[in-house]
Amino acid sequence: QLQLQESGPGLVQPSETLSLTCTVSGGSISSSSHYWAWIRQPPGKGLEWIGIISDTGSTDYNPSLKSRVTLSIDTSKNQFSLRLNSLTATDTAVYYCGRGKHDEDWLDPWGQGTLVTVSS
Amino acid sequence: QSVLTQPPSVSAAPGQRVTITCSGSRSNIGVKYVSWYQQVPGTAPKLLIYDNNRRPSGIPDRFSGSKSGTSATLGIAGLQTGDEADYYCGTWDISLGAGVFGGGTKLTVL
Repeated sequence: QLQLQESGPGLVQPSETLSLTCTVSGGSISSSSHYWAWIRQPPGKGLEWIGIISDTGSTDYNPSLKSRVTLSIDTSKNQFSLRLNSLTATDTAVYYCGRGKHDEDWLDPWGQGTLVTVSS
Repeated sequence: QSVLTQPPSVSAAPGQRVTITCSGSRSNIGVKYVSWYQQVPGTAPKLLIYDNNRRPSGIPDRFSGSKSGTSATLGIAGLQTGDEADYYCGTWDISLGAGVFGGGTKLTVL
């Protein structure tokens, strides 16, 4: 079945840029009926939608993060990626990737998540 | 402050039924499908309900969903201790042009 796996650094310095990759296995990232999402969860807090990207490269971002976020997709590698710049301690969170369904907007499956700590 | 509003916590005894509400607006729940997720601490969220009231394969029929106007409700019948988790509602907001979640509800099975 489809599986997603996040990868990237666990510790990033303040003011620097976070780069995370989500690798999709057990299926193709090229799907006209699905999109690919990033979500984060600060420690002890709720879920926050970061943004989505389709297999054509079309994106939508959370307005509160839009100025700092870039999503990209590499269909040849079955991967999609997140870049978040100008990091502060408030960006410390578990970052999840997931597959979403166009027009229905449910997310399934999710990756296991990766904890990113912003600290010097 | 979340776009969707959920009660911070609910509790009930084993075997009983509990409901969790999710309140939104005409730009999100009022016009889009609602999904529900279960998150056991330390693990990734899992899809419980999609398209307001449909259950993915493998989700028991003790879990149900409904939507009316700008609110949605998750129902859990025959509560088990294994149901203790955080529950989140989610949907799309057409004004924001982004997905949104509720703040989450912690379920305690007494």
